[in-house]
Amino acid sequence: DSGVTQTPKHLITATGQRVTLRCSPRSGDLSVYWYQQSLDQGLQFLIQYYNGEERAKGNILERFSAQQFPDLHSELNLSSLELGDSALYFCASRGLAGGTNTGELFFGEGSRLTVL
Amino acid sequence: DAKTTQPPSMDCAEGRAANLPCNHSTISGNEYVYWYRQIHSQGPQYIIHGLKNNETNEMASLIITEDRKSSTLILPHATLRDTAVYYCIVRSLSNDYKLSFGAGTTVTVRA
Repeated sequence: DSGVTQTPKHLITATGQRVTLRCSPRSGDLSVYWYQQSLDQGLQFLIQYYNGEERAKGNILERFSAQQFPDLHSELNLSSLELGDSALYFCASRGLAGGTNTGELFFGEGSRLTVL
Repeated sequence: DAKTTQPPSMDCAEGRAANLPCNHSTISGNEYVYWYRQIHSQGPQYIIHGLKNNETNEMASLIITEDRKSSTLILPHATLRDTAVYYCIVRSLSNDYKLSFGAGTTVTVRA
């Protein structure tokens, strides 16, 4: 158990719809990272937040948005869904461990999105 | 971040050591080598990382060549549960810890 919680675990929806994926980072971790893993693309970095502020953007579509709330949980919003958005979406968190920062990310178990 | 090259797949016998190579010939002085693995669509799991010295933890050992252009992850006694995709990642200190995953090596441990 990494300590990172993602909900829902599975989600089936139709094209054109909008969904929200939720991530609770490890207790005390300030950074949250979102990744997408589809069959033909591998693990792709989408976006990173640090203490509520967007820190870095990767290959995130304009139809997708994210935010991190004051309690540090994060949500990834996917809208106008297309068949190609079907993928596993992972959230990871990183924090200071024992005063030293090893830079390791702790990943949740992912949310599997199926768009029909 | 420097790119890495890994073999697409390898087999290993249960109970034997698994040696996973990674080439990172363009690595720069401030870049770390990280290893993660992903077991069948679960979230990636951190294994080990290093800068230039060899490292060992309860999961594995990391051997980095003196010129730092390649490294080897060693799983000392592979078990069936070690079957996974293993990712070698080079990360600089300036990219705020985000990781760029390649295709990795699919390791199959056989009984």
